[in-house]
Amino acid sequence: DSGVTQTPKHLITATGQRVTLRCSPRSGDLSVYWYQQSLDQGLQFLIQYYNGEERAKGNILERFSAQQFPDLHSELNLSSLELGDSALYFCASSPVDWDEQFFGPGTRLTVL
Amino acid sequence: AQKVTQAQTEISVVEKEDVTLDCVYETRDTTYYLFWYKQPPSGELVFLIRRNSFDEQNEISGRYSWNFQKSTSSFNFTITASQVVDSAVYFCALQGGSEKLVFGKGMKLTVNP
Repeated sequence: DSGVTQTPKHLITATGQRVTLRCSPRSGDLSVYWYQQSLDQGLQFLIQYYNGEERAKGNILERFSAQQFPDLHSELNLSSLELGDSALYFCASSPVDWDEQFFGPGTRLTVL
Repeated sequence: AQKVTQAQTEISVVEKEDVTLDCVYETRDTTYYLFWYKQPPSGELVFLIRRNSFDEQNEISGRYSWNFQKSTSSFNFTITASQVVDSAVYFCALQGGSEKLVFGKGMKLTVNP
């Protein structure tokens, strides 16, 4: 158990819908990262937050947004969902920027 | 543009064999970081190592070792005396000055008893 929690574990929704994925980092970790893993695109880094501020951006679509709250948990919002958004979404946390990252179990999103 | 190439897509070895996973990268940045991640069959991701571009010292952690060679733009990963538990998909990644992290396509390692 890495200490990073993600909810929900599974999510099934329809095209055009909006979903929110939640991540709670390990206690004391200030940095949160989001990754997407799909068959088409492989493993991709989406976005990083550090102590509430966006720090680095990867291949995150404009339909996707994220934030990190004062209690350091983070949410990834995916809107206008398409079939191609079906993927495993991982959250990770680290004490400081790009230090050793600890991953959550992932949220499997299925868009029908 | 940044790019990471893991030329091997799949390797199968017998337990106790040594195996090296190749990673070649491309970047114009002078400061960058290289990573290795492991994804076992259970699906979770495990961070293995992060190295910066100014530190070419090889690193050893138990049965794992990493060889960073700037001259050949490579960051290879060797598992010594492989075990069945090493069976996983291994990803190499590069983070340049833009902070964006780019992954290779991954290499599936199967260690047979």
